[in-house]
Amino acid sequence: DGGITQSPKYLFRKEGQNVTLSCEQNLNHDAMYWYRQDPGQGLRLIYYSQIVNDFQKGDIAEGYSVSREKKESFPLTVTSAQKNPTAFYLCASSMNSKNTEAFFGQGTRLTVV
Amino acid sequence: KQEVTQIPAALSVPEGENLVLNCSFTDSAIYNLQWFRQDPGKGLTSLLLIQSSQREQTSGRLNASLDKSSGRSTLYIAASQPGDSATYLCAVRRPNYGGSQGNLIFGKGTKLSVKP
Repeated sequence: DGGITQSPKYLFRKEGQNVTLSCEQNLNHDAMYWYRQDPGQGLRLIYYSQIVNDFQKGDIAEGYSVSREKKESFPLTVTSAQKNPTAFYLCASSMNSKNTEAFFGQGTRLTVV
Repeated sequence: KQEVTQIPAALSVPEGENLVLNCSFTDSAIYNLQWFRQDPGKGLTSLLLIQSSQREQTSGRLNASLDKSSGRSTLYIAASQPGDSATYLCAVRRPNYGGSQGNLIFGKGTKLSVKP
């Protein structure tokens, strides 16, 4: 099946740990995105990538890092510098970053313990 | 700065009713507008995409309209069913500027409950 796969579905992080969230797509899309969703705040953009080996900071990039070494993969690392990482993380992709439809994965819920 | 607002924040209707969800945006310079559905604890499912040059799109019982000049979109759901209960989000894709190219700006959503 074509689509976007996020893993794991649930992730628990201890204080001071870095964790990596996986996002894989088999839609042959150039653009990929990471959003964070908090209750009452809507979705906020963390990082985005328009093409392989290129990525840009979004509105709330502090404490996060990404890589885009392959077209189908856009992993997100939540570092210890992110002070409030507990949230629902959503990965998305689209054919390009202009006029095409965006598709989302099923999300990863990250909790700090 | 582009801002997207959805009203109402929550809506409860009896089964079978036709309903309208509203979305407004402050900057008419958009590529497109997309409506999504989100079930609790799940990702977003794309419902309809309207390009900036279009006025409406239809899919089954759903009809979305776009009035770019007034910064408004509506999602019309006909003959609502309990299975339509979810949060509905609208998002506009903004053109390239300030290094943020073609990203989606979301409203906070309307939580719909359809009672049997």
